[in-house]
Amino acid sequence: GAGVSQSPRYKVAKRGQDVALRCDPISGHVSLFWYQQALGQGPEFLTYFQNEAQLDKSGLPSDRFFAERPEGSVSTLKIQRTQQEDSAVYLCASSFKRDNEQFFGPGTRLTVL
Amino acid sequence: GIQVEQSPPDLILQEGANSTLRCNFSDSVNNLQWFHQNPWGQLINLFYIPSGTKQNGRLSATTVATERYSLLYISSSQTTDSGVYFCAGGHNYGQNFVFGPGTRLSVLP
Repeated sequence: GAGVSQSPRYKVAKRGQDVALRCDPISGHVSLFWYQQALGQGPEFLTYFQNEAQLDKSGLPSDRFFAERPEGSVSTLKIQRTQQEDSAVYLCASSFKRDNEQFFGPGTRLTVL
Repeated sequence: GIQVEQSPPDLILQEGANSTLRCNFSDSVNNLQWFHQNPWGQLINLFYIPSGTKQNGRLSATTVATERYSLLYISSSQTTDSGVYFCAGGHNYGQNFVFGPGTRLSVLP
């Protein structure tokens, strides 16, 4: 595809529900990143993949957050037992390799009621 | 980890005015980007500029890596320039890509 795509664009969940957010990176990009953006703030790093290997998950806020990229392309960010503080925009980015220019998807806006 | 400061936090301009946005890093970075986040939340790439100077139309950017800062220049501003401008950077020795808090720009007609 021409750019990074994410789905769904909007997700409303009741507190305690599990959610799964999908990211399709730019074809051929080795590196994939997930970020969380709270209202009025800059994005914050969550986790990083190089191909299928999750090399850094230091930004994941709790063990309720889990990310995978099993075939080195599409990635899924899963949040278990959602809490109200999980409400945010979740952004995915990809780059040819780690320190190259990152390109961002449109984000998924998660609202937990 | 790296700390990123941006100034000013808010900026209001009349259409046609010029402006300079600044980004300071607490440590050296070897990848640095400027983004414009539009009202729909999309992060639009402006510049990938770990060092040196680049220009793209009315926008230009300069990074002085040895002094750990970068500047974004907007000339002849237009209402469509409104939004939040972020800088972000990292280092290839394991430092994650860190965003600044952003500069919110409003260009009035």
